[in-house]
Amino acid sequence: EPEVTQTPSHQVTQMGQEVILRCVPISNHLYFYWYRQILGQKVEFLVSFYNNEISEKSEIFDDQFSVERPDGSNFTLKIRSTKLEDSAMYFCASSDHSPLHFGNGTRLTVT
Amino acid sequence: ELKVEQNPLFLSMQEGKNYTIYCNYSTTSDRLYWYRQDPGKSLESLFVLLSNGAVKQEGRLMASLDTKARLSTLHITAAVHDLSATYFCAVEMNYGGSQGNLIFGKGTKLSVKP
Repeated sequence: EPEVTQTPSHQVTQMGQEVILRCVPISNHLYFYWYRQILGQKVEFLVSFYNNEISEKSEIFDDQFSVERPDGSNFTLKIRSTKLEDSAMYFCASSDHSPLHFGNGTRLTVT
Repeated sequence: ELKVEQNPLFLSMQEGKNYTIYCNYSTTSDRLYWYRQDPGKSLESLFVLLSNGAVKQEGRLMASLDTKARLSTLHITAAVHDLSATYFCAVEMNYGGSQGNLIFGKGTKLSVKP
């Protein structure tokens, strides 16, 4: 069964550094998403992406965040200047309509 | 603002018992999801409920949706240890416009003990 793949599985970075989280969505899906889950808390929507542009974003998705689909297969989340509170599990998801299919996540630790 | 509330947040069950997890949401939505998450793992889709009165069953799990009451239930029948996980309900914002903006509940951590 096709799946969403994310790399790396764990990323450790220092505060203020830039990180790029990578995702390969399911190949025939058209809608892409990023969600995050702070340890032990609920899953929160960050951004949705369709037709090469952001279709919706949450209040969490401020100017330090950006997304890109640099080629036909990858979908990336960039955090420009990481803060301690950005430490979380970041999930990529894709869909054709529903449901969303989630990747295994990237655990980001900001020190 | 759409709010999604689950209860209970923690549930310890004995094998063989039945129990129900409740998911209430605050504004109109006709699309509700149930996901399962094992510790440190991703979110696995269990059910998509699209209309009032929808009922879906998979193994020992059955989910239902009452859009008028803004309530979904996840019923567990004759629990087994393998069902131990965290269960999330999620409601879709702005269905019909942009899609995939899911508002999740806090999750119900289920522990099934022998």
